[in-house]
Amino acid sequence: EIVLTQSPGTLSLSPGERATLSCRASQSITSLYLAWYQQNPGQAPRLLIYGASSRATGIPDRFSGSGSGTDFTLTISRLEPEDFAVYYCQHYGSSPLFGQGTKLEIK
Amino acid sequence: QITLKESGPALVKPTQTLTLTCTFSGFSLSTSGVGVGWIRQPPGKAPEWLALIYWDDDKRYSPSLKSRLTITTDTSKNQVVLTMTNMGPVDTATYYCAHSNWDVAFDYWGQGTLVTVSS
Repeated sequence: EIVLTQSPGTLSLSPGERATLSCRASQSITSLYLAWYQQNPGQAPRLLIYGASSRATGIPDRFSGSGSGTDFTLTISRLEPEDFAVYYCQHYGSSPLFGQGTKLEIK
Repeated sequence: QITLKESGPALVKPTQTLTLTCTFSGFSLSTSGVGVGWIRQPPGKAPEWLALIYWDDDKRYSPSLKSRLTITTDTSKNQVVLTMTNMGPVDTATYYCAHSNWDVAFDYWGQGTLVTVSS
């Protein structure tokens, strides 16, 4: 059974800074099935990145995804106030699963 | 545009069966590659996938909950129904339905419905 581990648990940064979020799989996974979501309080998750590096419709280009095998990264190049939220990675395998999340908070 | 909306009881008692309905528009569950999934999220925790149904009526369930779940579809009504038996307090969560296309990701989500299990 694959496990996704996200780090850090909480990331404290200021607007304008660069954010780097990590998602590590317990075994090698297909990049096609690695996605990233953003979730604000009281809202449903929103798809940001699919296929490890493709931005979903309407997602600003300050969001980018990379990685392969067991290590994947979500990068936000310059943080905007609306980017402070919780981020989840997800593997869409035979049993889709989510990581435990990274909370991006304002420093 | 694609929209999904969950409906069902806000409160269920322990041991009862939960029935949730996802009513969607903007796509057809008869179109190749399309799936509708159910995902739940306990308060303050990460989302947990529960079940998926596909355009060809293939169904998948979370291994840990498989014995308690049934997912069905009524294509004429554009609805997907999830039933979960033997509900307990640990099942208290917001339940979401979501659209997927060729198993890549859940690209459209409903607003979610909070279900509380309590006597």
